[in-house]
Amino acid sequence: KNQVEQSPQSLIILEGKNCTLQCNYTVSPFSNLRWYKQDTGRGPVSLTIMTFSENTKSNGRYTATLDADTKQSSLHITASQLSDSASYICVVSDRGSTLGRLYFGRGTQLTVWP
Amino acid sequence: EADIYQTPRYLVIGTGKKITLECSQTMGHDKMYWYQQDPGMELHLIHYSYGVNSTEKGDLSSESTVSRIRTEHFPLTLESARPSHTSQYLCASSESEGGSYNEQFFGPGTRLTVL
Repeated sequence: KNQVEQSPQSLIILEGKNCTLQCNYTVSPFSNLRWYKQDTGRGPVSLTIMTFSENTKSNGRYTATLDADTKQSSLHITASQLSDSASYICVVSDRGSTLGRLYFGRGTQLTVWP
Repeated sequence: EADIYQTPRYLVIGTGKKITLECSQTMGHDKMYWYQQDPGMELHLIHYSYGVNSTEKGDLSSESTVSRIRTEHFPLTLESARPSHTSQYLCASSESEGGSYNEQFFGPGTRLTVL
């Protein structure tokens, strides 16, 4: 069964600190993996996308890594800011359909305290 | 910010009412999607469309229906709302070429509460 598991479920850090969020998946055949940021009451917004051949991708203070062999990804946030408080969702796509089937994790709820 | 809009943002209605959730995008995308999201849970695809006059059911069974008469418009209708329909509904769109590599752009969502 294709699944996406994220950890931790929630995380509280102080402003300025770094943190790392984890994503494990069983989706096959693998196409790509995205990290989305979802602010409360808003729709998700894409942060990064990685395909099978990519190991790391950065977007400002966000750095995503992918290990396609172990089917694991991480999202590292550097020098956190209050505006980073949001849910971070790992989304994996397969190659099995023209639609491009997406499998969503439940997200990690990050809270940044001043 | 993505040019995809949803109205209303919040809706509280009584059981048995008919409702339509509106979704519009100005990006000219052929593919559009409706997702359902409960607090702390993953998004579930309930409907999608490849283009005008194309509608398909998603993975999560839903009593709602959709229509795609115009490229930019993808409304979702519940003929008779029930408390079990209480949820957040997210609309999204993407380009056709590139398959799953294309980013899905999401609207802000409609939070529906059925009393």
